[in-house]
Amino acid sequence: EIVLTQSPGTLSLSPGERATLSCRASQSVSSTYLAWYQQKPGQAPRLLIYGASTRATGIPDRFSGSGSGTDFTLTISRLEPADFAVYYCQQYGTSPSLYTFGQGTKLEIK
Amino acid sequence: EVQLGQSGAEVKKPGESLKISCQGSGYSFTNNWIAWVRQMPGKGLEWMGIIYPGDSDTRYSPSFQGQVTISVDKSISTAYLQWGSLKASDTAIYYCARQRGPLLQDWYFDLWGRGTLVTVSS
Repeated sequence: EIVLTQSPGTLSLSPGERATLSCRASQSVSSTYLAWYQQKPGQAPRLLIYGASTRATGIPDRFSGSGSGTDFTLTISRLEPADFAVYYCQQYGTSPSLYTFGQGTKLEIK
Repeated sequence: EVQLGQSGAEVKKPGESLKISCQGSGYSFTNNWIAWVRQMPGKGLEWMGIIYPGDSDTRYSPSFQGQVTISVDKSISTAYLQWGSLKASDTAIYYCARQRGPLLQDWYFDLWGRGTLVTVSS
C-alpha cells in the first residue's frame, strides 16, 4: 500500500512569499495519478492540481505542481491571504486502497 | 449549477443506524463515480469507498469494508452512505465527491459536497 508523507506539517510564511510543499510516496507513483487539494477551515476540499502538474479549472497560475516517481511538489509563487489553508496530496489508481491522501500541510500566516 | 448537495448534520447515539445522502445536480449523475471521504475532527482525509451510479458497481477501502454500506438511487441522482450500528469513533465530517472520469488519469475528485457532520455520543 502506498503511503504519502507530506512535509512540512506546518509552514509559516508571509503574504508575497513563495511556498513549497512536499509530498513523498513510499513507492513510485505515476505522475499522471497525483493530485493536490486545498481545504480552508469549515469548507470542503477543492481540487487544485491533477496529473501532478495540470491546474484545475479556475485555479490561478501562481499554483504549480511538479515531480515524478516518489517526490512531488506544490509551489505557490506569491502567497495571497486566501492561500493560507491546509493542502493535501492524493494518489489514485493503486491497489489495495485506490485513493490515498497525504496527512496534509497547514500553510499559516507568519 | 453543477453541485453535490449533502444531507444535514446528524446527532446519534452509539448503536443507532444512519443513512446520509449526496444528491448530484447540474450534470449527468449516472456518468461519474461518487466517492465518500471521511474527515475525523482535526484530522486529514480518508477515502472510504466509491460507487458508479450507472450500475451500482461499488468499491470499498479495505479500512472501511464491512463497516459501512454505499448505495445509490439513480432515479433521484442520490448516493448514500449508511451505518448499521454507529460507534463514537464514527464522529466525523463525511464528504461526497465526484470522480472526474472513468479513465485512470481522471480518477481525481473534481467536485465535492459541503460535507455532513455526524456526531455519535451517548
